[in-house]
Amino acid sequence: IAGITQAPTSQILAAGRRMTLRCTQDMRHNAMYWYRQDLGLGLRLIHYSNTAGTTGKGEVPDGYSVSRANTDDFPLTLASAVPSQTSVYFCASKPGANDTQYFGPGTRLTVL
Amino acid sequence: GESVGLHLPTLSVQEGDNSIINCAYSNSASDYFIWYKQESGKGPQFIIDIRSNMDKRQGQRVTVLLNKTVKHLSLQIAATQPGDSAVYFCAEAGGGYSTLTFGKGTMLLVSP
Repeated sequence: IAGITQAPTSQILAAGRRMTLRCTQDMRHNAMYWYRQDLGLGLRLIHYSNTAGTTGKGEVPDGYSVSRANTDDFPLTLASAVPSQTSVYFCASKPGANDTQYFGPGTRLTVL
Repeated sequence: GESVGLHLPTLSVQEGDNSIINCAYSNSASDYFIWYKQESGKGPQFIIDIRSNMDKRQGQRVTVLLNKTVKHLSLQIAATQPGDSAVYFCAEAGGGYSTLTFGKGTMLLVSP
């Protein structure tokens, strides 16, 4: 069982480009999450999905979009990247309500 | 808004000592608390959790204490080892599918 996989591991991107960060889990977890982690600011929630077909906005959703077409995949898209989106991005999932979230290994994104 | 915070940004201990990492939370409606460990270059790793109907929960070498009266959470690590060196985050949430709010993190440094 792989758990949660994220791709790419790291990426350098020119400002203005479109980028999709991939997240896949093989645990059949209902809920999935995207966070960004910046030094001094901890982990901040970008978007979440409590079940396939539904999504919601977190604390810092601007500039990002998500989709949840199926249980396993939860891609995060930056439509037009800006340097302030330079960060480490973590995907997480949990089985259901009142459960613990488990995190993927992260994607380090640099926008120049 | 309400937030979770940590008292100490860095804690340095000697190998074999017991470590205590503290966390204050402000949302009295939170009923689920988690401690995560994050090593450099990796995603947060679940350590232990506790629900609001408990005061104490023990795991392997770790104990979480919850004091709802003063809204305080602590993580105790017994016989700290160099492999325990990492950043530790507390997080809190309400019930069901409510999202997690993370503290800023405390770095634990263990000297041999």
